[in-house]
Amino acid sequence: QIQLVQSGAEVKKPGASVKVSCKASGYTFTSYAISWVRQAPGQGLEWMGWINTYNGNTKYAQKLQGRVTMSTDTSTDTAYMELRSLRSDDTAVYYCARINVWGQGTLVTVSS
Amino acid sequence: DIVMTQTPLSLSVTPGQPASISCKSSESLLHSDGKTYLYWCLQKPGQSPQVLIYEVSSRFSGVPDRFSGSGSGTNFTLKISRVEAEDVGIYYCMQGIYPLTFGGGTKVEIK
Repeated sequence: QIQLVQSGAEVKKPGASVKVSCKASGYTFTSYAISWVRQAPGQGLEWMGWINTYNGNTKYAQKLQGRVTMSTDTSTDTAYMELRSLRSDDTAVYYCARINVWGQGTLVTVSS
Repeated sequence: DIVMTQTPLSLSVTPGQPASISCKSSESLLHSDGKTYLYWCLQKPGQSPQVLIYEVSSRFSGVPDRFSGSGSGTNFTLKISRVEAEDVGIYYCMQGIYPLTFGGGTKVEIK
């Protein structure tokens, strides 16, 4: 069965970094791009960027350029999203997605 | 960036009755490859979003045929022919031209 399983919740201080993982199973990992989407508490969905899992090419939302890095490890079929210089408004549930398959979400809380 | 505008903000529907959600984009979603990259997603309470429809009107495997999508260019519609209790949640339209953007969501509840 095709699934994306994400790492667990994180609590970070302002200015810190967080790295969320997304392990794929049930399909050929390098055949589909992975997007990252976040959702602040009580808010809508915000696309963060995506990574071509075949060649590693990335595209990021302009507002996150310079703070976000998406990467993959094809030996473990895992995608990663690292966000740096965290602020309180980065508090959100972060999802990885392969179009019609989404991870369970990872809550990242940024608080002093 | 392309702005996606959904209406209505919320919808209260009697089970068995139809429902319709509109989504308008600030630019045409017709790509140079001939495809129109408009998707419909549903986020049920406490769950991750799930994508129901891609490229305006194609349903993903397992999506009930009571869900249908239509439209072209900048105007799109999601219709539920007969709403069921399991259809409650927030519906989002999403456009797939970089950078991807979502509509603000339409909350569907049962009367």
